[in-house]
Amino acid sequence: GAGVSQTPSNKVTEKGKYVELRCDPISGHTALYWYRQSLGQGPEFLIYFQGTGAADDSGLPNDRFFAVRPEGSVSTLKIQRTERGDSAVYLCASSRIAGVDEQFFGPGTRLTVL
Amino acid sequence: EDQVTQSPEALRLQEGESSSLNCSYTVSGLRGLFWYRQDPGKGPEFLFTLYSAGEEKEKERLKATLTKKESFLHITAPKPEDSATYLCAVVDYGGSQGNLIFGKGTKLSVKP
Repeated sequence: GAGVSQTPSNKVTEKGKYVELRCDPISGHTALYWYRQSLGQGPEFLIYFQGTGAADDSGLPNDRFFAVRPEGSVSTLKIQRTERGDSAVYLCASSRIAGVDEQFFGPGTRLTVL
Repeated sequence: EDQVTQSPEALRLQEGESSSLNCSYTVSGLRGLFWYRQDPGKGPEFLFTLYSAGEEKEKERLKATLTKKESFLHITAPKPEDSATYLCAVVDYGGSQGNLIFGKGTKLSVKP
């Protein structure tokens, strides 16, 4: 596609439920990043992939958060036992290679945990 | 600890009134500094990358400059469509490759 796409655009869930957020990067981009943005804040790094492997997951807040990219393209961010504090916009970005190549962002998934 | 600070938090301008946004950073070694524009309900849109002190880049009414400690985004004769939040981010040599560290942004409003 022309840009990074994310689905769903909005997700409302109840505390304790499991959610999956999907990211489809720009074709040919080998690096894929997940960020989380709370209201009035800049995006916060969660995890990034170079190809299929997670190169750095130091931003994941705890072990309820997990992400995969099995074929080196689409990625899924998985959140178990959701908490109200997980409510935020989850942004995905991709770049040609990891490093200082510009990252192109998707529109985000707004997650609301009731 | 890495830190990116943007000022002011919010800026209101009249159409045509030029101004500058500031981004100061503290990193162990700068790999790159990025400017993004973010409209409400959308993801950040890439504007510029700067790599070394003294570098400048321009795009339409925007010009970004870089020193060893800060970057400026100059807006010349802004129009209402320039209203958005402008985000600054850095990549640190001492950190993860490509891990963008963002500031909180400057919310710009341009009134006609």
